Amino acid sequence: KAGVTQTPRYLIKTRGQQVTLSCSPISGHRSVSWYQQTPGQGLQFLFEYFSETQRNKGNFPGRFSGRQFSNSRSEMNVSTLELGDSALYLCASSPDLRGLYSGYTFGSGTRLTVV
Amino acid sequence: ILNVEQSPQSLHVQEGDSTNFTCSFPSSNFYALHWYRWETAKSPEALFVMTLNGDEKKKGRISATLNTKEGYSYLYIKGSQPEDSATYLCAFKNYGQNFVFGPGTRLSVLP
Repeated sequence: KAGVTQTPRYLIKTRGQQVTLSCSPISGHRSVSWYQQTPGQGLQFLFEYFSETQRNKGNFPGRFSGRQFSNSRSEMNVSTLELGDSALYLCASSPDLRGLYSGYTFGSGTRLTVV
Repeated sequence: ILNVEQSPQSLHVQEGDSTNFTCSFPSSNFYALHWYRWETAKSPEALFVMTLNGDEKKKGRISATLNTKEGYSYLYIKGSQPEDSATYLCAFKNYGQNFVFGPGTRLSVLP
């Protein structure tokens, strides 16, 4: 079956712009979580959506937002981009909330570079 | 903020060697621990989901143990192969918190 699909794979944006990243989870998975990885940092939790509702949010500024659609696809938006937002953004899906019982299935990520 | 540590940070072993590394986490309010393998240019892949103190899980040559009372989990690889080269991540969750990922152990298996 198809895995977790993230688009685009690479993105270059200018400071001050906004960006939208997309994630299509595995069919039947209702939970979608987003993570940020920057050099020297572990995976940092951004937020989790389950059944179109944001269930949890990490310690990121309000410039980071997301949503989930009825087909479980999710989008993440970052407004007023800063250089420090340059990172690999990973989406992970799970059939259960927080991937507690089955773990997460990750996408390949979107590499965002802010110049 | 929960602190999840992994040691060593990186490891180089020869093909055929067995190896192990550690994930340390707060011992209070344990809920679950996951192990992932992240190969270069690929996505992190779930290896084990562990929820009970004393859990032992095995997948081929890789196994993991869990001690929630003292706050650690070990990952073992028996007879390492070059294809085992990857970064191994643990992710810890307690009640009321999201999963927190450790910084990872980068394993290189030399042929």
